[in-house]
Amino acid sequence: QKEVEQNSGPLSVPEGAIASLNCTYSDRGSQSFFWYRQYSGKSPELIMSIYSNGDKEDGRFTAQLNKASQYVSLLIRDSQPSDSATYLCAVKDQGGKLIFGQGTELSVKP
Amino acid sequence: DADVTQTPRNRITKTGKRIMLECSQTKGHDRMYWYRQDPGLGLRLIYYSFDVKDINKGEISDGYSVSRQAQAKFSLSLESAIPNQTALYFCATSDLRIGAYSNIGFGQPQHFGDGTRLSIL
Repeated sequence: QKEVEQNSGPLSVPEGAIASLNCTYSDRGSQSFFWYRQYSGKSPELIMSIYSNGDKEDGRFTAQLNKASQYVSLLIRDSQPSDSATYLCAVKDQGGKLIFGQGTELSVKP
Repeated sequence: DADVTQTPRNRITKTGKRIMLECSQTKGHDRMYWYRQDPGLGLRLIYYSFDVKDINKGEISDGYSVSRQAQAKFSLSLESAIPNQTALYFCATSDLRIGAYSNIGFGQPQHFGDGTRLSIL
């Protein structure tokens, strides 16, 4: 089993809809969770971090964390074509290493 | 200017050649990392360094070596390149701060360079 798993997609949503991206992780002791966005041919950029159970909102983005279920998600409200990218989930394990999922490709159709 | 600069941006070379990828940063961060990215596999850690005197192997260090010449510079070498080392390589930095983001290990989230696309024929 991979340490951090994401659906590879592509996930396609219409413009204005909510995009839901999911990630599960295997290290129950993980404390820090991050979402990166990566446009094609570009470097990853951090868009959200979350450390406590529950929701964390930043503009159109909401990160949700459930440590009991070892599950972290990213919701993008009012999706725009400019949100089309690959979204990488990253989890810091107990040893301090940042483990990345394989990424989910999101396509927002006008 | 970019905070994290990688050179070269693209490189095509032949099997068996020695290759060096360079990374420099102006963020003043102590911690630097090298990752490779392959389609469908996400980012995998090759080596990391917490300061000038510290070098650590990551998940996939075989076939690679690194040098931390200064706080701001961290280079990755492929001593004898092979085709399966064809990938997109990223350098990243992070800062160790006391506070909400403090932790042992990698500290707060990482800042990436623009990447080096390496092709080995």
